[in-house]
Amino acid sequence: ETGVTQTPRHLVMGMTNKKSLKCEQHLGHNAMYWYKQSAKKPLELMFVYSLEERVENNSVPSRFSPECPNSSHLFLHLHTLQPEDSALYLCASSQEGGGGSYEQYFGPGTRLTVT
Amino acid sequence: QKEVEQNSGPLSVPEGAIASLNCTYSDRGSQSFFWYRQYSGKSPELIMSIYSNGDKEDGRFTAQLNKASQYVSLLIRDSQPSDSATYLCAVIPSGGSYIPTFGRGTSLIVHP
Repeated sequence: ETGVTQTPRHLVMGMTNKKSLKCEQHLGHNAMYWYKQSAKKPLELMFVYSLEERVENNSVPSRFSPECPNSSHLFLHLHTLQPEDSALYLCASSQEGGGGSYEQYFGPGTRLTVT
Repeated sequence: QKEVEQNSGPLSVPEGAIASLNCTYSDRGSQSFFWYRQYSGKSPELIMSIYSNGDKEDGRFTAQLNKASQYVSLLIRDSQPSDSATYLCAVIPSGGSYIPTFGRGTSLIVHP
């Protein structure tokens, strides 16, 4: 266990559904990330929250909407997804600044299938 | 565009051999370097961090950093079939960013 948990671990949803992915970190970190990993493709950074600021990859479609209510919790809200959005969604956290090591620790991921 | 390059492999080595995984990066000012192991269908797991030139050893793993040549490598001694995985190199670029750039990963196969 890395100290980063994700729920659900598996999700199957139709294109008209709305669902949310949840991530929680117990490491006291101040930065959290969402990544997408499709089959045979590299990690794709989607969103970053650090010290309550948000950084986003401009290529991420608006059907993905992040929310970070505090430094320990991160959500990814999903709506009207497409089949090509099927992938492994990974949450990670790190300690940024103040002598932090910048090491990222990943959660187990949510395997999303869009039908 | 700050890039991190890895040979996608697969790199195939016999059990007990040394596996050598390489990574090059384009941003000369990069200061922090990481190796992750990712088993198929699982999430990346941090196995080594290195911040200064030279070697850093942890058990069977040795990370080597050469900032002048802009490469970082991972050596796995006494390779085991359980080491078969994809190894991701990650580099934090210069300019005050804390967000790493990941390579595409190298697939390692250790055969008995």
